Amino acid sequence: DAGVIQSPRHEVTEMGQEVTLRCKPISGHNSLFWYRQTMMRGLELLIYFNNNVPIDDSGMPEDRFSAKMPNASFSTLKIQPSEPRDSAVYFCASSSTHYRETQYFGPGTRLLVL
Amino acid sequence: GESVGLHLPTLSVQEGDNSIINCAYSNSASDYFIWYKQESGKGPQFIIDIRSNMDKRQGQRVTVLLNKTVKHLSLQIAATQPGDSAVYFCAENEAGGTSYGKLTFGQGTILTVHP
Repeated sequence: DAGVIQSPRHEVTEMGQEVTLRCKPISGHNSLFWYRQTMMRGLELLIYFNNNVPIDDSGMPEDRFSAKMPNASFSTLKIQPSEPRDSAVYFCASSSTHYRETQYFGPGTRLLVL
Repeated sequence: GESVGLHLPTLSVQEGDNSIINCAYSNSASDYFIWYKQESGKGPQFIIDIRSNMDKRQGQRVTVLLNKTVKHLSLQIAATQPGDSAVYFCAENEAGGTSYGKLTFGQGTILTVHP
């Protein structure tokens, strides 16, 4: 079975540019989570969706960050405009309705903002 | 200037030894706990989980112990192998409301296995 799929795997961009990260959750999973991992702060939850609806976005750092889930099989995390401090690895995870806490992670997108 | 990052606990073991990785949690309302393994350049990988109505759960070569009295969680790896070298994270979930499904992660422990 395919796990969580993320794209791109690596992204290098210049400050001020828009960045869009993509995630395809495991088929049949109803919850989707976006995390950011840095050496400074570890693994942080940014936002999570249940049945395509954002449930908790308290971890989104600021208005430059936005996330959408237009359908059950696709989500995006957008940063506009990007800044060097956004450089991190961004992970997407998904889980099923009955076991929402058991999250399965994708391989991550390594973002570098110059 | 010099960057300051998280200083993760480290554990070094010899191949074949048993490893014990510890985790303290703070939320007494947490009722679900999970361990992840993260290898360099990869996403966290599910290892084993346990609910608060249990104090021990075993998997293949791994055992998780939960002590709710002192809010402590441990992961035991039997016959540790070089492929077990990774960062290990514990995470907890508080039941109910909008927190359901929302994991709070620990900082992680670096396990290094020497052949």
